[in-house]
Amino acid sequence: DAGVIQSPRHEVTEMGQEVTLRCKPISGHDYLFWYRQTMMRGLELLIYFNNNVPIDDSGMPEDRFSAKMPNASFSTLKIQPSEPRDSAVYFCASSLCRAETQYFGPGTRLLVL
Amino acid sequence: GENVEQHPSTLSVQEGDSAVIKCTYSDSASNYFPWYKQELGKGPQLIIDIRSNVGEKKDQRIAVTLNKTAKHFSLHITETQPEDSAVYFCAALANNDMRFGAGTRLTVKP
Repeated sequence: DAGVIQSPRHEVTEMGQEVTLRCKPISGHDYLFWYRQTMMRGLELLIYFNNNVPIDDSGMPEDRFSAKMPNASFSTLKIQPSEPRDSAVYFCASSLCRAETQYFGPGTRLLVL
Repeated sequence: GENVEQHPSTLSVQEGDSAVIKCTYSDSASNYFPWYKQELGKGPQLIIDIRSNVGEKKDQRIAVTLNKTAKHFSLHITETQPEDSAVYFCAALANNDMRFGAGTRLTVKP
């Protein structure tokens, strides 16, 4: 298995632009997680899905952030409009079930100017 | 909710020495404790995990110990090598809520 796949690996955009991050989880994994990592706040869980259904989005910072999972093999995290403080590395992870190991993707490094 | 504290934040050791990273958790319902290694430019990768029904687990040069009474768990790396240099994260899962420690930056000097 190729593992969790994320794209793009790097994104540089200007404040106010829409940003879409993509994730393909490991085949057969029922759970998908979106994390944000910054020096100041470490790893923060933004949202997670179970069988394509959002379960807990309490970590989503504000309405500018949205996430979807239209099918078992694809998820997006969208920021609209983006702001400089959104600059971070965004990770997608997947797992067989909630209480099992989460496998992380390589991350998307986002810079909002 | 669960709160995970990790110490130290940075650790520098000489090649061949041992390294120990410690974490404490607050929720007694926590029952799964993974450790992740994150190398520069990569995502965290699981290196070892332990469940609450076990006190110790070992995999070659790395081991994890769990003290449920004291609510702390530790990562031990023996015979450290330069390629062990990375950021290490502990985590604790309680009631479907996984919380991560702030991370420890380990540097192994050749």
